[in-house]
Amino acid sequence: DVKVTQSSRYLVKRTGEKVFLECVQDMDHENMFWYRQDPGLGLRLIYFSYDVKMKEKGDIPEGYSVSREKKERFSLILESASTNQTSMYLCASKDRGGSPLHFGNGTRLTVT
Amino acid sequence: GESVGLHLPTLSVQEGDNSIINCAYSNSASDYFIWYKQESGKGPQFIIDIRSNMDKRQGQRVTVLLNKTVKHLSLQIAATQPGDSAVYFCAENGVWDGNKLVFGAGTILRVKS
Repeated sequence: DVKVTQSSRYLVKRTGEKVFLECVQDMDHENMFWYRQDPGLGLRLIYFSYDVKMKEKGDIPEGYSVSREKKERFSLILESASTNQTSMYLCASKDRGGSPLHFGNGTRLTVT
Repeated sequence: GESVGLHLPTLSVQEGDNSIINCAYSNSASDYFIWYKQESGKGPQFIIDIRSNMDKRQGQRVTVLLNKTVKHLSLQIAATQPGDSAVYFCAENGVWDGNKLVFGAGTILRVKS
């Protein structure tokens, strides 16, 4: 089974802090994704990566950046956390083409 | 914990009954469809998928039906159990944007014992 592991289940950070969310997958998938999930808004794509060192903006990239230095690891960075970034963050990976996304269990981030 | 299901449609079924969850997808060019289940406090879990060259696919206790004419997808769960209670999402993927999935808003399934 594919395993996508997010390093933290819960995080509490202060406004203005730099925040790193880490994600690792063990299935050698080329593609990795970061979503946020908010009540009433569903899953929204922040950034994705289709190869090492490659990244593409999703639907809501503002206030975020990403890093993919190794194939198995995809990091989401909040350069200066704000309260409107309080959310559930979900990492996912997939193989090429028409194949399912495999999600981690999420990181619930609270910015105070 | 905070619910992801705020304002989502809810389907309530009796334990042992069959459930049907529906989804209308947006793009007629979509050629791959997936159903996910999300339990409280967990990430979405893959249930079953179907490609556009099929109109039905069966898994263990689940069946997905695809009607391309009306752009409609449904998930049927046989003999629904309390453990099936969750939010269910459909997702579509098209050749125009091969690596990105477009997600539906979701449906809450509540199973009454």
